[in-house]
Formats: sequence, structure tokens, C-alpha cells
Amino acid sequence: DGGITQSPKYLFRKEGQNVTLSCEQNLNHDAMYWYRQDPGQGLRLIYYSQIVNDFQKGDIAEGYSVSREKKESFPLTVTSAQKNPTAFYLCASSIRTDSPLHFGNGTRLTVT
Amino acid sequence: AQTVTQSQPEMSVQEAETVTLSCTYDTSENNYYLFWYKQPPSRQMILVIRQEAYKQQNATENRFSVNFQKAAKSFSLKISDSQLGDTAMYFCAFMKGPNFGNEKLTFGTGTRLTIIP
Repeated sequence: DGGITQSPKYLFRKEGQNVTLSCEQNLNHDAMYWYRQDPGQGLRLIYYSQIVNDFQKGDIAEGYSVSREKKESFPLTVTSAQKNPTAFYLCASSIRTDSPLHFGNGTRLTVT
Repeated sequence: AQTVTQSQPEMSVQEAETVTLSCTYDTSENNYYLFWYKQPPSRQMILVIRQEAYKQQNATENRFSVNFQKAAKSFSLKISDSQLGDTAMYFCAFMKGPNFGNEKLTFGTGTRLTIIP
């Protein structure tokens, strides 16, 4: 079955460390996205990519970085510059950027 | 910039009843899409229904339907014959029409819906 796989489900890191969240899709979708979810704030867009080797900043890109070397993969690195990294992170993909999104199951990141 | 407002943080309804979730949005665009997503306790985001702004007819998916009022910039979700499995967070979302560049979803803050047995 096609889908989006995010790993790990839970991630714990010490403050000051960079951490990379994995997102893999086998839906053959061109567009991929990273969202951050905080209580009471809905989902906010971090980065998105419309095609391999290209990506754009979303609304809250500071302290994050991404790469898109393969169509199937869109890893997100949370750097030590991100002031408030503890959150639930959702990866999504779509056939095109004007199509409905398919979401992964998310990664809960806790930084202490 | 687009904004999406969901003014009901929490709602509850008895099983088998009908419930309506509210959503308003603000945009200067004429061509756009609106969505309702459901996030059950598993936290998987699931698309419930989609509406194209140029379509006058309200979208329907089984027990889920919308009331799209373009002039009022309102997009409410009606769930008929509610079931226990409908318990979830519901997010309203907006996307600008296809400009081959900057389409992205803007989400509201969500409504937590509880179906009571």
C-alpha cells in the first residue's frame, strides 16, 4: 500500500543538538511538506518542496533546514537555532501543490 | 495573507445527532480551495471534504456536507448521524488557486469534537 512514513514516532534530544526527522513517501507525489503542530495553534508550514532539489520556506522556517535529493524523501533537520523545538511534526505530500495533502502519522519531538 | 478562523474550540453531541462546525476565512483571492481535515486520537490527518470556490454546489461526502457561503467567507461542516468514530479534532484549511508556485494550506486552530454514546 502507498503511503507516507515518518520515523521515529517519538524522539527525544538534549538542547543544543541538531536532530533530523525522516519522511518517506511511495505515492509518487511531486510535492512534499513539513508542518508543525502546537496545542491551540493548528498546523503551521515549515518548508515545502514542489520538485526534487528545490524547496521553499514556509511561515516558520527559522531554525529548520530540509533537503530534497530524492522524490521519495524530504528529511527535516531541527537545528539548535530553533528556540522552541518541542512539538508534533507532520509530513505531507500531494500529487501537485494544488491537490489535497496526504499526511504521515507524525513525529513527536521533545527537547529538554 | 490568508487567515482561517474556527471559533469553536470544543463541541460535543450525542451519538446519531447532527452537528455543525463553523469556519470563516479571509482572503482577497477569487480562486481557491477549502478543506476540512479530521485528526482522530491517532493524530493521523485525514481529508474529510474539499470545496472549490468556483463551484456553487456544496460538496458532500456521505454523512459529511458543507455549507459554503462565498460572499460571507464561511465554510461550515455538517456531520449527520454522528458516530463515535467521528470523535476527533477538525481543522478547516484554505489554499489559493493554482498559480504554479505558492499554493500552500493555511489551517485554522481546530475544533475538538466529542461524540457522546
